[in-house]
Amino acid sequence: QSVLTQPPSASGTPGQRVSMSCSGSTSNIGTRGVAWYQQFPGTAPKLVIYDNDKRPSGVPDRLSGSKSGTSASLAVSGLQSEDEAIYYCATWDDSLDGVIFGAGTKLTVL
Amino acid sequence: EVQLVESGGGLVRPGGSLTLSCSTSGFFSSIYAMSWLRQAPGRGLEWVASIRPGGRFIFYTDSVKGRFTISRDSGKTSLSLQMNSLRAEDTAIYYCARALTSDRADYAVQGYWGRGTLVTVSS
Repeated sequence: QSVLTQPPSASGTPGQRVSMSCSGSTSNIGTRGVAWYQQFPGTAPKLVIYDNDKRPSGVPDRLSGSKSGTSASLAVSGLQSEDEAIYYCATWDDSLDGVIFGAGTKLTVL
Repeated sequence: EVQLVESGGGLVRPGGSLTLSCSTSGFFSSIYAMSWLRQAPGRGLEWVASIRPGGRFIFYTDSVKGRFTISRDSGKTSLSLQMNSLRAEDTAIYYCARALTSDRADYAVQGYWGRGTLVTVSS
């Protein structure tokens, strides 16, 4: 069972805006920055958001991140079929003294 | 171009040992925090261990403490993970990853990943 809680699935139609949540606690999200990773089947994860809301070079601005208290969110606007993937949130946990991941949200484009 | 290439995976019996290597190119690996992460078949991501540029600060997830050792070679161009007393639950694809930038020690922010190497622990 993951320390960070993510819904197992999310879905939307092309062009829609979809958001997914990541819930933690004061020992992790509440005091640390959150990163988000995108993973396609059979490939390595790719960093798409870090420090809650920053995008690495090359990541489209259709992907955006936010944080409030002990929860974080990743939003994908102008949904495209190529966005269909599993999205993981991650952060450092001060109690566990290590990096923790959510179980992942599978985004389906209908 | 930043490249990370893992090697050394394979089939090993429970209780056995294996050493993974990560060959790096396209950047000065000595100035970046480096990490190993893994993903069991059909499961989510799990952080395994991280090492800071100087090699003095090392962190492990609880389940591998005392069994796994992360290290960098003296030339700082490769990263290793020595795995002892392997268990069935260690079966996973193991990824080598690099911090996004050289000035941060936030091990949750892995900007570059290798393709991974599969470790299977089974009798």
